[in-house]
Amino acid sequence: LAKTTQPISMDSYEGQEVNITCSHNNIATNDYITWYQQFPSQGPRFIIQGYKTKVTNEVASLFIPADRKSSTLSLPRVSLSDTAVYYCLVGEARSGNTGKLIFGQGTTLQVKP
Amino acid sequence: DAMVIQNPRYQVTQFGKPVTLSCSQTLNHNVMYWYQQKSSQAPKLLFHYYDKDFNNEADTPDNFQSRRPNTSFCFLDIRSPGLGDAAMYLCATSNLGSSYEQYFGPGTRLTVT
Repeated sequence: LAKTTQPISMDSYEGQEVNITCSHNNIATNDYITWYQQFPSQGPRFIIQGYKTKVTNEVASLFIPADRKSSTLSLPRVSLSDTAVYYCLVGEARSGNTGKLIFGQGTTLQVKP
Repeated sequence: DAMVIQNPRYQVTQFGKPVTLSCSQTLNHNVMYWYQQKSSQAPKLLFHYYDKDFNNEADTPDNFQSRRPNTSFCFLDIRSPGLGDAAMYLCATSNLGSSYEQYFGPGTRLTVT
């Protein structure tokens, strides 16, 4: 499983766009990139998953360059309720795999008013 | 709403006194996971079930056991809790075909006195 590196913490203000970058230099061909969000005293919540280029859903966008050695989670116009820990995970997500999530340290995002 | 339920939300046990944590799901997912999350740390996978097939992580202490009597329920048994076992215990589920999209319960916070 590829190791990931993220900033330990980030600060932002309400209404700003936040970009959290994750490095995964030894990502394998079959690996997907997955992001989770965790609020205090709650279980993590799946945000988005991608393999290459750009993926967008109602919550976030995920940008993956051609070499796939990094990825950027983009949160548009954050609010105070987006204050949470964000985890980047890399692993093989093919059918038949039971999805062993190895969480790294995560990025603690603090959104200020 | 389909969900993952953990009971109790808070559990206090004495040093060395066996304790069982419970997880149930209404998602009908075939994979169930148990994670341990200590304060200010990332979740750590203890083991998982694919249907009735049990998969233990290599570094999970023998003190931790699990049972899955049916698709909906999974239990975590801690045979002789030590002070170092105080943590949040998270249950998660997924389908085999999309196993990196895991659905987490709210967790059970275990205190050992």
